[in-house]
Parts: sequence; C-alpha cells; structure tokens
Amino acid sequence: DAGITQSPRHKVTETGTPVTLRCHQTENHRYMYWYRQDPGHGLRLIHYSYGVKDTDKGEVSDGYSVSRSKTEDFLLTLESATSSQTSVYFCAISESGQAPYNEQFFGPGTRLTVL
Amino acid sequence: GIQVEQSPPDLILQEGANSTLRCNFSDSVNNLQWFHQNPWGQLINLFYIPSGTKQNGRLSATTVATERYSLLYISSSQTTDSGVYFCAVEVPHYNTDKLIFGTGTRLQVFP
Repeated sequence: DAGITQSPRHKVTETGTPVTLRCHQTENHRYMYWYRQDPGHGLRLIHYSYGVKDTDKGEVSDGYSVSRSKTEDFLLTLESATSSQTSVYFCAISESGQAPYNEQFFGPGTRLTVL
Repeated sequence: GIQVEQSPPDLILQEGANSTLRCNFSDSVNNLQWFHQNPWGQLINLFYIPSGTKQNGRLSATTVATERYSLLYISSSQTTDSGVYFCAVEVPHYNTDKLIFGTGTRLQVFP
C-alpha cells in the first residue's frame, strides 16, 4: 500500500470555524491532490500541488485553500467552514502528474461534518 | 466538460456469479483508472489502463479508447467484492492531468 495518511480521520465542527486537514506521504511523490466525495457526485478535485510551494485550483476550489511547505505534507484549509462543506475528503498522490505515469493512490479519507 | 457514465448503477449477485461493469466516456482521454471503494470507504486501485486488456486474479479490465468505453469483469464473485466500483478518466488540467470520476456501480455479493 502507498504510504499515505490523513488526519484527523473524523471531525465535527461548527459553521464559521476554521478547519485544517493534513495529508502526509512517505513515497516522495511530486504530485498531491485533494478531492471531496459527495453522494451523486463521485469524487471531485479541489486543489492540487505539483511541488513544494506550487499549487493550483481544481474544479471545486471556492472556500478552500492549500499549502505545501514540504514534499511529504499537503494541507487543506477551510477558512470559515459552511454546512455545504460537509463531505468526505480524500488526499491522493501521483509520481508524475501526467499520463502514462499518473496513477493516483488515495489516502483513507477524512469525514468532516459542519453543523 | 467530459461526461463519465457507469452502468449498471446497482448490481446484486450471489457468490460465485460473474459480472461486467461498464464505463462510457464522452471524449478522448489520456488514461483510465478503475477503483474499488470497500465498505469502510477505502479506495483501492484495481487497474490503470489506457487501452487493451489487463488481468489481476479474478478481475480483468478492457479499455477500447477509440470507442470511448472500458469494461471491468469480475469472475467468481466473493462477498469481499462488495462495495462501489468507480472508473475515472484522466484529462489535461493546467499543470497536471486530473481525474474525472463516474458516479459508480454499487455491487452487493451475498453468500
């Protein structure tokens, strides 16, 4: 199994509070991704990183920010959580970011509930 | 944007049966992945398959890129095969290729 951990695994928070989710990898892969999974939508890309301090937006980036200060860690921050951000969040890693070497491996997920 | 459709949406099988899951996509793609999401929520990589056929034990996958579809075959199904199966196509997105997921096929295998 790819060495990807996410923390916390479960979190309940209140509307308006800041929340930070952490993804940690031991594979030294260059590319890291944050997805959210919601019923009826499959998984959708929020943000991704293509190197230390290099990040870019995905499909559903509004209300989220990310940071990557080390190769192994990729943080997702909800500056002011809203109920629409209740979801399961997955981190993924990839060696190269482009086919044919872009097989993505996923972490265990974080279940976030915003009340 | 590209559309990814999976069929059937739900499938109920008895242990030992065979099944075929289908993934159709509406435009050309750089690659395609199949995943199994187990009942605990973990996404498990099954195949990374831009074209042709690959096999791994009781599972095999075939992608026909020119006709924009992929098939996942499960033979002699087991209760541990239960869960949701996703296909995801890989398309260009600025500094990376991103994955666009289908909405999945939910498989239940009963003893």
